[in-house]
Amino acid sequence: DTAVSQTPKYLVTQMGNDKSIKCEQNLGHDTMYWYKQDSKKFLKIMFSYNNKELIINETVPNRFSPKSPDKAHLNLHINSLELGDSAVYFCASSHRGPRNYGYTFGSGTRLTVV
Amino acid sequence: DAKTTQPPSMDCAEGRAANLPCNHSTISGNEYVYWYRQIHSQGPQYIIHGLKNNETNEMASLIITEDRKSSTLILPHATLRDTAVYYCIVRVSSAAGNKLTFGGGTRVLVKP
Repeated sequence: DTAVSQTPKYLVTQMGNDKSIKCEQNLGHDTMYWYKQDSKKFLKIMFSYNNKELIINETVPNRFSPKSPDKAHLNLHINSLELGDSAVYFCASSHRGPRNYGYTFGSGTRLTVV
Repeated sequence: DAKTTQPPSMDCAEGRAANLPCNHSTISGNEYVYWYRQIHSQGPQYIIHGLKNNETNEMASLIITEDRKSSTLILPHATLRDTAVYYCIVRVSSAAGNKLTFGGGTRVLVKP
């Protein structure tokens, strides 16, 4: 199936740990994103990569480090996890430019820090 | 990106048309109107977008006023599965640096 897939779907971890979330898209898109949806349900962009180049970096703690090994993958590594990092993290992809018909989102990774 | 204003919630009867309004009075000439929805616990789903002409696809219709200061998303025959939060977003389409910024959206409840 063509899609944006994230792993894992659920992640429960203790404060202070380091964890990674992986994202892959097979849609041929050239731009990928990470969004965070907190308990109040607001979706906020964190990062965006276009052809492996970082193009959007919102005000996010530097404990969050995205990495894009190729344009089909965008992983998110989080160091020293804090309680406030608990949220649902969504990966998305799109085309840049005139073929930008919208973003395709993954199904989310629910991170719970205890 | 221009801001949008949507009612926080609305109910709709199953089988009837759902008309979701959105105000975007500060929209610029090169900004598109996008609609997404988020069904509970799922990722947001693209519905439709347009610049100034009305648009229709298999999911919905988008009616944009002539002055482009407001638009309406129409779900022609709402089903229970259309219960979701609907987001109206305006943004420039072509630049990679233009992010999709979500507001509070409209929580639509389709009732039997």
